[in-house]
Amino acid sequence: GAGVSQSPSNKVTEKGKDVELRCDPISGHTALYWYRQSLGQGLEFLIYFQGNSAPDKSGLPSDRFSAERTGGSVSTLTIQRTQQEDSAVYLCASSADRRNTGELFFGEGSRLTVL
Amino acid sequence: GQQVMQIPQYQHVQEGEDFTTYCNSSTTLSNIQWYKQRPGGHPVFLIQLVKSGEVKKQKRLTFQFGEAKKNSSLHITATQTTDVGTYFCAGRSGGYNKLIFGAGTRLAVHP
Repeated sequence: GAGVSQSPSNKVTEKGKDVELRCDPISGHTALYWYRQSLGQGLEFLIYFQGNSAPDKSGLPSDRFSAERTGGSVSTLTIQRTQQEDSAVYLCASSADRRNTGELFFGEGSRLTVL
Repeated sequence: GQQVMQIPQYQHVQEGEDFTTYCNSSTTLSNIQWYKQRPGGHPVFLIQLVKSGEVKKQKRLTFQFGEAKKNSSLHITATQTTDVGTYFCAGRSGGYNKLIFGAGTRLAVHP
């Protein structure tokens, strides 16, 4: 597709369940970011990939959160044993700039609700 | 760690009034970007500033990057209802140049 694609767009889950969120970046974009946005709040940095490697995982809130990227393309953010405070919109963005200095193109986000 | 502060959190103006949002970083930035997020939408890139003291204009929007490359501002002249949304600054610093966002300024424009 032409833009960053995220799925699912909406996910409602029960506390304690695991969830997987997927991001398909713009073709050829080497940098990929995950951010979390709680209702009415700013964007909280979670993790950044350059190619398949994640040089900066400093934003992951706990060891329940993990992310991987394969083939320099699709990325999956996994949240294990979800908690109510994990409820938020998870935004993925990609960038074409290998030096990581360029603009980010965002997907529409995955809205996660943990009951 | 790197922090980017943005004020005000919320601004309510009458259509035609001017609007300014300010961004400050705890560290020197290699560049700063501004994004706009419409209600219910995702952030969309507006502009990037790289040079110390840089000023860029886009129609009614004026962006500035401070001399010390630690602060920035966005000024909108004669706001219109189409300007409604949240404006985020985002700064890069550090070895990996990760992009850290400010908390955003939510702009409401009343006709």
